[in-house]
Amino acid sequence: ETGVTQSPTHLIKTRGQQVTLRCSSQSGHNTVSWYQQALGQGPQFIFQYYREEENGRGNFPPRFSGLQFPNYSSELNVNALELDDSALYLCASSLVAGSAFFGQGTRLTVV
Amino acid sequence: ELKVEQNPLFLSMQEGKNYTIYCNYSTTSDRLYWYRQDPGKSLESLFVLLSNGAVKQEGRLMASLDTKARLSTLHITAAVHDLSATYFCAVDSTSGSARQLTFGSGTQLTVLP
Repeated sequence: ETGVTQSPTHLIKTRGQQVTLRCSSQSGHNTVSWYQQALGQGPQFIFQYYREEENGRGNFPPRFSGLQFPNYSSELNVNALELDDSALYLCASSLVAGSAFFGQGTRLTVV
Repeated sequence: ELKVEQNPLFLSMQEGKNYTIYCNYSTTSDRLYWYRQDPGKSLESLFVLLSNGAVKQEGRLMASLDTKARLSTLHITAAVHDLSATYFCAVDSTSGSARQLTFGSGTQLTVLP
């Protein structure tokens, strides 16, 4: 039991719509990272939040955005969904320099 | 740009056999992880390797790190069916002021009876 929880576990959206995914970090962890894992591939870093600020970003367009709240929970927002956004989205929490613990993921399907 | 390469990508092995998965990475790093992923599931942390020459073992799995060669290995001893899964290595690096993991493509392991 890692303590990182994500919601929802599955959802289906239509191309062009917007989606919000949520993550509750493990107790005491102040850093949250988001990853996208397309089918058959390794996870790819989207961005990281620390103390409610984005402090690093991977090669993802601006329509991928996020928030971190004072309790360290986080949201990932994706606007103007495309078919290629279909993937497993993983949230990981950690201390700043500590090991990352992953949630169970949200499976997003865009049709 | 950090690149992480795993091989093989697919591995079928018989129960009781030994095999090694290799993970090469392109730039220096002070931390390397191995994860297991079952179909449709999240990532389960197996090992964290923090220094050159580090070796960790858990059950039938043993991981090692050679930072000079930028190489990590995951050795499977006397495989059993329960080890069937996809295994990822991931290298820790910085992006801006963030620490991020760069993953390999994964090795899909199937252990046959």
